[in-house]
Amino acid sequence: DQQVKQNSPSLSVQEGRISILNCDYTNSMFDYFLWYKKYPAEGPTFLISISSIKDKNEDGRFTVFLNKSAKHLSLHIVPSQPGDSAVYFCAGDDKIIFGKGTRLHILP
Amino acid sequence: KAGVTQTPRYLIKTRGQQVTLSCSPISGHRSVSWYQQTPGQGLQFLFEYFSETQRNKGNFPGRFSGRQFSNSRSEMNVSTLELGDSALYLCASSLSGDSTDTQYFGPGTRLTVL
Repeated sequence: DQQVKQNSPSLSVQEGRISILNCDYTNSMFDYFLWYKKYPAEGPTFLISISSIKDKNEDGRFTVFLNKSAKHLSLHIVPSQPGDSAVYFCAGDDKIIFGKGTRLHILP
Repeated sequence: KAGVTQTPRYLIKTRGQQVTLSCSPISGHRSVSWYQQTPGQGLQFLFEYFSETQRNKGNFPGRFSGRQFSNSRSEMNVSTLELGDSALYLCASSLSGDSTDTQYFGPGTRLTVL
């Protein structure tokens, strides 16, 4: 039973445009969500988080939106840069539950 | 401040063998978690240790075990290796392991089982 789902295994976006990565969850008890970014041969690094009492959290080019009624969160990257090419994982609740990841390719 | 270190970085074993992986957390961090990453399953939680006690455990068979020492360093052991155990094993440390605590990941140990 996958409690956190990232349904797009990969996404390609033109440099300078907006990248939107999506994540759905099934457990309404989750009260904290995180996004991690992972480059090849490195461990994931924390990117941004959101508490369930908020619907938006922003940090520079990165914004996470939470829609609790739809059990959906999304990560927006604006503008997308070449260094953003990586695998992005969303995680819920105590960081124990991770999605399978979405590989983002930023095209020149 | 030094980051999370994992040794060895790469390991090749054969079926039936056992393996021990090591993780040194960031200085001052008392929580260490282990994850398995495979292409098909993504990141899956193995277990979390805090102050030498296992605090949480994922859905893995008993062949997977771990421990934490008084200096917060942690080891995980996999016995009777199977082909399906080939994966990247990541450890992550945090100050207290609370859900709002940022986890810092090591580079991982790439295990190949032949």
